[in-house]
Amino acid sequence: DAGVIQSPRHEVTEMGQEVTLRCKPISGHNSLFWYRQTMMRGLELLIYFNNNVPIDDSGMPEDRFSAKMPNASFSTLKIQPSEPRDSAVYFCASTYLPAYRGEDLMLSYEQYFGPGTRLTVT
Amino acid sequence: AQSVSQHNHHVILSEAASLELGCNYSYGGTVNLFWYVQYPGQHLQLLLKYFSGDPLVKGIKGFEAEFIKSKFSFNLRKPSVQWSDTAEYFCAVNAGNNRKLIWGLGTSLAVNP
Repeated sequence: DAGVIQSPRHEVTEMGQEVTLRCKPISGHNSLFWYRQTMMRGLELLIYFNNNVPIDDSGMPEDRFSAKMPNASFSTLKIQPSEPRDSAVYFCASTYLPAYRGEDLMLSYEQYFGPGTRLTVT
Repeated sequence: AQSVSQHNHHVILSEAASLELGCNYSYGGTVNLFWYVQYPGQHLQLLLKYFSGDPLVKGIKGFEAEFIKSKFSFNLRKPSVQWSDTAEYFCAVNAGNNRKLIWGLGTSLAVNP
């Protein structure tokens, strides 16, 4: 398996431009997570999808950020317009989450991370 | 709210020294616990995990962690570190109804040869 694939690996853009980050999860996984990593704030969960549906987007910083998952094998994170404070490494991770069947059933799952996209906004 | 606390932000050791990184979480129910490692310039990868059974979990590269429920802790240990262990280490928790992982801020480990 190729693992989680992200593109581009590096992106340098000017303030105000639109940025689109792409992620291909591992085949068979039904959940996808977008994270942002900075020195100041560490690893932050932005949004996650389960079966292509956004479940929790409470970590999305503001309306400039949007994420989509049109099918099980592709997701995008878009920033429009971009700002210098958006500079960070953006990671995508995927896993398989079984259908929720109550707290008694706690299934361990591992998130598999992609290589990340290093975004620099000047 | 559920949270994860990693007490050591930066740790510097010499090779062959013993390592213990602290991780505490706040949640009273059943938890799954994870340690991830991020080597310089690379993505996060799983080091070890606990979900049930023996509270002493062994992971890759000689790492282990002990789940102490009464202390809400899941500390990471290695008896003798190597220069190649230089990395950032993250503790994460999956608890209760929460299907996402709650992450600590990470501990940066530098091992001097």
